[in-house]
Formats: sequence, C-alpha cells, structure tokens
Amino acid sequence: GAGVSQTPSNKVTEKGKYVELRCDPISGHTALYWYRQSLGQGPEFLIYFQGTGAADDSGLPNDRFFAVRPEGSVSTLKIQRTERGDSAVYLCASSLRGLAGVGGANVLTFGAGSRLTVL
Amino acid sequence: GQQLNQSPQSMFIQEGEDVSMNCTSSSIFNTWLWYKQEPGEGPVLLIALYKAGELTSNGRLTAQFGITRKDSFLNISASIPSDVGIYFCAGQLRNAGNMLTFGGGTRLMVKP
Repeated sequence: GAGVSQTPSNKVTEKGKYVELRCDPISGHTALYWYRQSLGQGPEFLIYFQGTGAADDSGLPNDRFFAVRPEGSVSTLKIQRTERGDSAVYLCASSLRGLAGVGGANVLTFGAGSRLTVL
Repeated sequence: GQQLNQSPQSMFIQEGEDVSMNCTSSSIFNTWLWYKQEPGEGPVLLIALYKAGELTSNGRLTAQFGITRKDSFLNISASIPSDVGIYFCAGQLRNAGNMLTFGGGTRLMVKP
C-alpha cells in the first residue's frame, strides 16, 4: 500500500486478556519494526524483522510479548495476559532495507499506531 | 538502555518566532533524525543527518549533526500555526541495524 497500515486503531481490553495488533508495511519493504509509545514519551523499540525472521527482539519487555511475520510482509504483535501497564500506542514502521548506513533506503516510515487500553 | 535527552520539553511561542530544540546523548550515534508527530498519527520524518558536522535544511527547518556525534539541534524559522506538534529526535547506533532510540519529545505550541 501507499503507507504503513495498522489495525485496530483503538483496542480496549480487560486485564488478563489476549490481544493481537496487526501491521501491513509498505509494499516491498523488507524491514519491519514495532515500537511502543507511552503517554508523553518517545517511542521505544520492541522488535525488528528483516524478512520473516526477527533480527533483534531485545526490546520486548517480557515473554508475554511476541511478534511474527510469517510471509515477510504483514506482522502481528501478540500480547498475552495483558496488564494495565501495557496500555500505550503500539507503532509499526517499515523500511526498504534493514541495513545501517547512508541513504533514504534506511529511512523508517511509521504507521498511525494502535492505541491499546487495558482496563 | 540508551537515553537521549531532548530539550525543551515544551515551548509556547508566538507565530513568526524562531524555534530551537536540541538533543544530547552519552553515546555516539552515526545517524541523527528529526521526526514530527501530530495527534493520532505516527512520527513523520523531517530531516535525516548522516555525517558529523552536517547541516541540512528542509524549507524552514534546519538541523545539524554535532561534531562530537553526541548531539543534534533542530531550528524552525518563522513559525506558523501548522508547526504545532511534538518533535522527536532519534539516533541510530552503529551496528544496530535500523533500530532508533528516541528522545522524549518537544511539544511545540504556536499562538497565532
């Protein structure tokens, strides 16, 4: 598509429930990133995919969080046994390549985010 | 984890005024970026800086990559109401793929 698409835009759930957030990156972008943005703060890195594999998942806060990208395009962020502290905006971004270096191919384009509220 | 200190946290200025904000880090970055975020949207890239000392402009925006690689600033000249939003700096560490570390943001409010 023309941009990074995230669904749902808003999700309200109860503590202890399971949640899935979906990201559809820009067509042809091989790298995909998940970030979490708490109220009043900057985005924090969660996980990065290069193709189908998770190249870096060092930002995932604990084992309740998991993400997949089975066909190297759409990605799903999964949160088990949600807690109130999980409430945040979950941002997805994609880039043409995932290699550090110079040039526009490494620029991340962000989606509008999925706002998760855990009651 | 890595921390970027961004200041000021917020600014309330008169339309037409110039604005300056900056980021500092205890670590060296090899790329600095500046993003703008509006309510209900994701961050949008404004300027990317790839070399120490680099000074880059994008319309009324000018940003510089500090010589020490540990800081960057963003200037907005002749502010207009549509400049309202939250501005974030972001740094990329060498050998960290494309993972970005973001500052805490500067909330800009412009009074017409």
